[in-house]
Amino acid sequence: NAGVTQTPKFQVLKTGQSMTLQCAQDMNHNSMYWYRQDPGMGLRLIYYSASEGTTDKGEVPNGYNVSRLNKREFSLRLESAAPSQTSVYFCASSEVPGLGNTIYFGEGSWLTVV
Amino acid sequence: AQSVTQPDIHITVSEGASLELRCNYSYGATPYLFWYVQSPGQGLQLLLKYFSGDTLVQGIKGFEAEFKRSQSSFNLRKPSVHWSDAAEYFCAVASGGSYIPTFGRGTSLIVHP
Repeated sequence: NAGVTQTPKFQVLKTGQSMTLQCAQDMNHNSMYWYRQDPGMGLRLIYYSASEGTTDKGEVPNGYNVSRLNKREFSLRLESAAPSQTSVYFCASSEVPGLGNTIYFGEGSWLTVV
Repeated sequence: AQSVTQPDIHITVSEGASLELRCNYSYGATPYLFWYVQSPGQGLQLLLKYFSGDTLVQGIKGFEAEFKRSQSSFNLRKPSVHWSDAAEYFCAVASGGSYIPTFGRGTSLIVHP
């Protein structure tokens, strides 16, 4: 079972460069999420997509854009990377948007902006 | 707004010792509570969750958690820790205001042989 797959796993960017983090899930889930994890900060929600065709801002959306390409795929784009975006990024999914649903996480993408 | 506090940044225990990780939440009504574990270099995996009913919840890997409404707590416990339990543990809360869980800052568990 692949579950939630993220690419790339590691990336180094220069300030001002752009890049897209790709995410795909094979569990036929409706909802997908992008989080960032920083030391001492836990996980913070960047954007989410409750269902195909919808996207919404989370707690820390500035500097990011997302695309829900289809039911399986949810990408995160950094248009002009900044050192403050150095972080570990996690894509996640859940069956439906609703209280109590288990969120399944990918293995993370380590991004360094120099 | 929902929030969750994990007061301990690091916890160190000896292998075989018991473990309790603390979690306090802020929300008026009964929340939905979760514990996730993150092994080094990995994503998060659900250990257990509580919605209603029995306040003692059993999870995977021998973990359990107890919901105490009077203390707004949802502490994670394990009677005997194994070296493989060394990881980061996250408590999370979801509520009627937002179905998406809010995560605590995490507690890093170190296990000494």
